[in-house]
Amino acid sequence: DTGVSQNPRHKITKRGQNVTFRCDPISEHNRLYWYRQTLGQGPEFLTYFQNEAQLEKSRLLSDRFSAERPKGSFSTLEIQRTEQGDSAMYLCASSLGGQGGNEQFFGPGTRLTVL
Amino acid sequence: GNSVTQMEGPVTLSEEAFLTINCTYTATGYPSLFWYVQYPGEGLQLLLKATKADDKGSNKGFEATYRKETTSFHLEKGSVQVSDSAVYFCAFPGSARQLTFGSGTQLTVLP
Repeated sequence: DTGVSQNPRHKITKRGQNVTFRCDPISEHNRLYWYRQTLGQGPEFLTYFQNEAQLEKSRLLSDRFSAERPKGSFSTLEIQRTEQGDSAMYLCASSLGGQGGNEQFFGPGTRLTVL
Repeated sequence: GNSVTQMEGPVTLSEEAFLTINCTYTATGYPSLFWYVQYPGEGLQLLLKATKADDKGSNKGFEATYRKETTSFHLEKGSVQVSDSAVYFCAFPGSARQLTFGSGTQLTVLP
């Protein structure tokens, strides 16, 4: 399977704990995106990488959130001191660079539940 | 700022009925427009897209036409099937190609 993969698929944690999610994009894609989706809503943009550089961060990405893409391949999203409001589906997407409306390919998501 | 307004759901139709899901957008300039679909238990998939005004995107019997005058990109299908039951999202890219999504429309097609 050469699509976008995400791990874990589900994570249950207690409030105050740290969690880390991983995204493996399609191998030739240099752009990588993180989104958050809550029930009944569309995905909301969190952050974006071009290769290893983090070029854009949404105001939704509080200080407790950090994302990395150290070698321009896989990416991790860490949430420190989780809160119940962090419960959501975290989606990763990747695309080729360039102009125009390049299609973003989405992974299956990581569902986070904070108790 | 950029935003997408989608027809609220849920929408329930009988098989072979005609489907319209409305989508209007507010954006700077004339971005490409997308419809994504999320089938139960699966990730988001691109359904169709249009890159400029008056373009028509089509796939799997679904169509949407980029209307610059009305800033709309309504999704239509002439005859829906049970397998079309899913959540449909209208979206367009921002300056960094990040997508702005509508809130989604849940479609249920009954046999």
